[in-house]
This record gives sequence, C-alpha cells and structure tokens, in this order.
Amino acid sequence: QQQVKQSPQSLIVQKGGISIINCAYENTAFDYFPWYQQFPGKGPALLIAIRPDVSEKKEGRFTISFNKSAKQFSLHIMDSQPGDSATYFCAATFNDYKLSFGAGTTVTVRA
Amino acid sequence: KAGVTQTPRYLIKTRGQQVTLSCSPISGHRSVSWYQQTPGQGLQFLFEYFSETQRNKGNFPGRFSGRQFSNSRSEMNVSTLELGDSALYLCASSLGWRGPTEAFFGQGTRLTVV
Repeated sequence: QQQVKQSPQSLIVQKGGISIINCAYENTAFDYFPWYQQFPGKGPALLIAIRPDVSEKKEGRFTISFNKSAKQFSLHIMDSQPGDSATYFCAATFNDYKLSFGAGTTVTVRA
Repeated sequence: KAGVTQTPRYLIKTRGQQVTLSCSPISGHRSVSWYQQTPGQGLQFLFEYFSETQRNKGNFPGRFSGRQFSNSRSEMNVSTLELGDSALYLCASSLGWRGPTEAFFGQGTRLTVV
C-alpha cells in the first residue's frame, strides 16, 4: 500500500505566487522526510528535508512545514518562478535507505 | 565531485531477454538503492545494497536482482523481460550510515521492452 499520500496531482500557479503541496504518511516510525524535484529526462534531485523534531525548515524560497500529530507535511514554494516548473515528490523513510515516495505533483508556473 | 553515473542511458530490449544496468555511486558512498519509475506506479523501491550486501528489498518478483562490488558500484539485472518492465530505472547513492544522510540520484536508464 502507498505509505505516503501526496496532493494535488498537479497545480498551476502564476509567477510570483505560492505553490503548496501536501503529503500525509501512515508509518509513525518514519523519521526523515525529504522533498525531491525532478525535471523531464533527469533523476530526482534533493530539494530540502526535515526531521520530525522540527516543525518548519526554510531554504531560500522553499519551506517545509511538519505536523507530527497529524502525520502531515507540506512544501511551500514562495515567489514561484518559471524555472520551478517540475514534478515534486515528497518521501519518507525510517532508515535513510528505503524511501517511500508520494505520487508526485506536477507544478507549472505561468509567466 | 562527480555525481551518480548510470549506464546505459537508454535501452531497447525484446520480451524474454535479460538486461543489466550499471550504477557508479558518488565517491565515498557505500549505499546504492535502485528504484523503478513509471507513470502509473510512480517511484517504487527495488532494493538497496551496502558493503556488497543486500540490506533491504522491495516488492518486486525474483526476476529483478542486483549486486554490489567492493568499489560500491552496483548492477541491476532483470531476466525474462516483460512489457510492463518498461520504465525509468534510477539508482541513488548515500553514505549508508543511519542518520540524516542524503540520497543522490543518477539520471536513470530508460528501458523500453518491445
């Protein structure tokens, strides 16, 4: 069964807007939650990651919010740019070498 | 430093054949994981190797196998190919120790089974 549920499947945002992607997980043993960005023809690239002892982590325009009690985490892309158009995957693991991925969200940023 | 290298980038095989894919991890990384990516199933974990030993395995049939060499390079083999095996096969390398280690992916091998 899918251990990490991701939504929405796709979203369109105007340049300068905020993109929000949500993920929910089942396994309370998960202790590492990375986000990956994938462009067509490329492998996923690590964007940002968080551990459950932190409620928020920000790196540049990318912020992860984490709600341990709700078993949910989300990615916010602030001031979205056309170059951010890609597919984003949330993931979770409890041993750092078996990642359970969400289904992915295709983000399109309109200029 | 060099990233994760996967070869070949593209492969076309016929049903029933077998195929071997190769992955060279980042220097110093001892863990190599393999994933299958398809439009329908997304990214699915195949298996992971650390110091030449398989540490974890996903829910794939025995036709999918792998190994890791003493230099951490890894190969994945798929025997008796089926049309449904057409996918992007990705490998990821990491340091391999428990803790906040990052997984870095290669560009993948696009396998087409006809």
